[in-house]
Amino acid sequence: NFMLTQPHSVSESPGKTVTISCTRSSGSIASNYVQWYQQRPGSAPTTVIYEDNQRPSGVPDRFSGSIDSSSNSASLTISGLKTEDEADYYCQSYDSSNPWVFGGGTKLTVL
Amino acid sequence: EVQLVESGGGLVKPGGSLRLSCAASGFTFSSYSMNWVRQAPGKGLEWVSSISSSSSYIYYADSVKGRFTISRDNAKNSLYLQMNSLRAEDTAVYYCASSGSGSYPDYWGQGTLVTVSS
Repeated sequence: NFMLTQPHSVSESPGKTVTISCTRSSGSIASNYVQWYQQRPGSAPTTVIYEDNQRPSGVPDRFSGSIDSSSNSASLTISGLKTEDEADYYCQSYDSSNPWVFGGGTKLTVL
Repeated sequence: EVQLVESGGGLVKPGGSLRLSCAASGFTFSSYSMNWVRQAPGKGLEWVSSISSSSSYIYYADSVKGRFTISRDNAKNSLYLQMNSLRAEDTAVYYCASSGSGSYPDYWGQGTLVTVSS
C-alpha cells in the first residue's frame, strides 16, 4: 500500500499564489492520475482538479495541477487567492492494489 | 444536474447495524461505478467500498471487510451500504460518490452522519 502525504496546513494572503504538495510514498506518481478535492467546512468535497491537471467545468483557471516525477509528488497551485478559497484540500490517487487512496488533507487559510 | 442523496444515518449502539442508502439522479446510474467514502469527525477522507456498474466487482477497505456489504439496484438508481457489527471507530459522515472511470470520484453526495455510541 502507498500513502499520499500533504502538509497539514498552509496560509497565504489574498491575491497571492499558494502551492500544496502531495507526495506518494511508493510507486511512481506518474503511473496513476492524481485528483484534488476542495472541502469547505460543513460541506461535501468537490473536484477542483482531475487527471493530474484537468479542471472540471465551473472551476476557475486560478486552480492548476501538476506532477513532478523527480520528487514523486503532485501539486495544486491556486493563484490570485480569494477568501472563498479557504478550505481543506485533499489529493487522491490509486493503483491496482489500492482502489482509492486519499492524502491526509491540507487546511488552507487565506488571511 | 447530478444529485446523490444519502439517507439512513443515525445513532446506533456498538455491535448494532445500520443500512445506508444513496439515491442517484441526473446521470446514467447503471453506467457508473459507485462508492462509499467516510470522514470521521475532524479527520480526513477514507475510502470504504466500491461496486462496479453491474455489481461484478466489489471492493472493501480492510477496516470494514467482513462487516459492511455494498450493493446497488440499477432499476431504482440506488446504492446501499449494510453496516453490521458497528464500532465506535465507524462514527463518521458517510458520502456516496459516483465514478465514471472507477479510479476516482466524480460527484459526491452531501453525506449522512453515523454515530456509534452507547
